[in-house]
Amino acid sequence: EVQLLESGGDLVQPGGSLRISCAASGFKFSSFAMIWVRQAPGKGLEWVSGLFGNGGGIHYADSVKGRFTISRDNSKNTVDLQMSSLRAEDTAVYYCAKDRVSGDGEWLIDSWGQGTLVTVSS
Amino acid sequence: DIVMTQSPDSLAVSLGERATLNCKSSQSIPYNSNRKHCMSWYQQRPGQPPKLLIYWGSTRESGVPDRFSGSGHGTDFTLTISSLQAEDVAIYYCHQCSSRPFTFGPGTRVDIK
Repeated sequence: EVQLLESGGDLVQPGGSLRISCAASGFKFSSFAMIWVRQAPGKGLEWVSGLFGNGGGIHYADSVKGRFTISRDNSKNTVDLQMSSLRAEDTAVYYCAKDRVSGDGEWLIDSWGQGTLVTVSS
Repeated sequence: DIVMTQSPDSLAVSLGERATLNCKSSQSIPYNSNRKHCMSWYQQRPGQPPKLLIYWGSTRESGVPDRFSGSGHGTDFTLTISSLQAEDVAIYYCHQCSSRPFTFGPGTRVDIK
């Protein structure tokens, strides 16, 4: 069974930094692209960032480009999102998600974690 | 960017009745290498993460009840719930993963009438 467990969400001041992480299990982690999607309180879903199983193919939403960095450690089955210069509008539940197929993938999400809440406020 | 819009914003349907949800993209969603639209539907129940229902526009994910079906091509896609059940109360999102940036629709809320 696929399991994705996010951690690291916290209250942080505007302009601050935070690193959130996702621990994966139940599948061959290194073979699948991984994705971060966020959801502001009471709002819809926004794709944030993704990367291939080999760490390539990195891309970001324009709203976070230059401020967020995605990375993965295939030896630990983890994917991280380093967030800096945080703004109030970054407040959201951040979901870790997995691509449906292995390899270069389709960027089609078939599994989601429960999410971790990041609150940016003074 | 491909902008996804959904209609209606919300709908209330009686138990056992049909619900039809629409999704329209601002540009035709390209086919992938399998000649499929990378277009999917997700269900999000209150307090839960989204759940994949339909992918490639019309392929039902394993374990999803057959009352859920997807159709459409190009710019217009539809999710149909043939006989609404109480557990179907949720927000439904369409999503395109064919063209970056990958985008979601704003969602359609489904309730029981």
